[in-house]
Amino acid sequence: AQTVTQSQPEMSVQEAETVTLSCTYDTSESDYYLFWYKQPPSRQMILVIRQEAYKQQNATENRFSVNFQKAAKSFSLKISDSQLGDAAMYFCAYRSSNYGGATNKLIFGTGTLLAVQP
Amino acid sequence: NAGVTQTPKFRILKIGQSMTLQCTQDMNHNYMYWYRQDPGMGLKLIYYSVGAGITDKGEVPNGYNVSRSTTEDFPLRLELAAPSQTSVYFCASSYAQGTRRNTEAFFGQGTRLTVV
Repeated sequence: AQTVTQSQPEMSVQEAETVTLSCTYDTSESDYYLFWYKQPPSRQMILVIRQEAYKQQNATENRFSVNFQKAAKSFSLKISDSQLGDAAMYFCAYRSSNYGGATNKLIFGTGTLLAVQP
Repeated sequence: NAGVTQTPKFRILKIGQSMTLQCTQDMNHNYMYWYRQDPGMGLKLIYYSVGAGITDKGEVPNGYNVSRSTTEDFPLRLELAAPSQTSVYFCASSYAQGTRRNTEAFFGQGTRLTVV
């Protein structure tokens, strides 16, 4: 079974600085998808960025980028020029690309609570 | 666009009571899910559905039931509520067909349930 581990329960960053959130996962599959979701105090789950395992190029979305290391099974999220609105819980998630399976479910890590200091 | 709509947003139940959490999506997604979120535990899958009439258990199904009579609706039933079911519940949906499985999962706004 696949697992996702986020080893940083809490992180803090100064406004305008850069912060990196860590995520590791365990799987025997060669093809899969990885996601970072943001959960602000409103509880809404918001997709930040996604990565397809067969793509070597790291995904980027404006100030958000990932460092995807497939051999190390690592998927970290870098937030550049941090803003007060980035303060939230961040979840790393894994989805199988097993076409024969029926789940298509997301497997989540335990989350990292990011505080942004003004 | 409504997306995924969950009701209610908050609920307090007494031990032994029953209730149904409603979930509706208007995106014609085939997959729907129920997760629970507990502090420090991330989101755990309770039940999921791959289409109307098809449901299956996730990691933590005990104490819950689901049905999927239509593509749009996926209600979660709690029978005989227990304090261990105090949690935040999320409904989600996504679309997957053949090789198209990298699509985003959309979440409802969550239901905070307290069992006392």
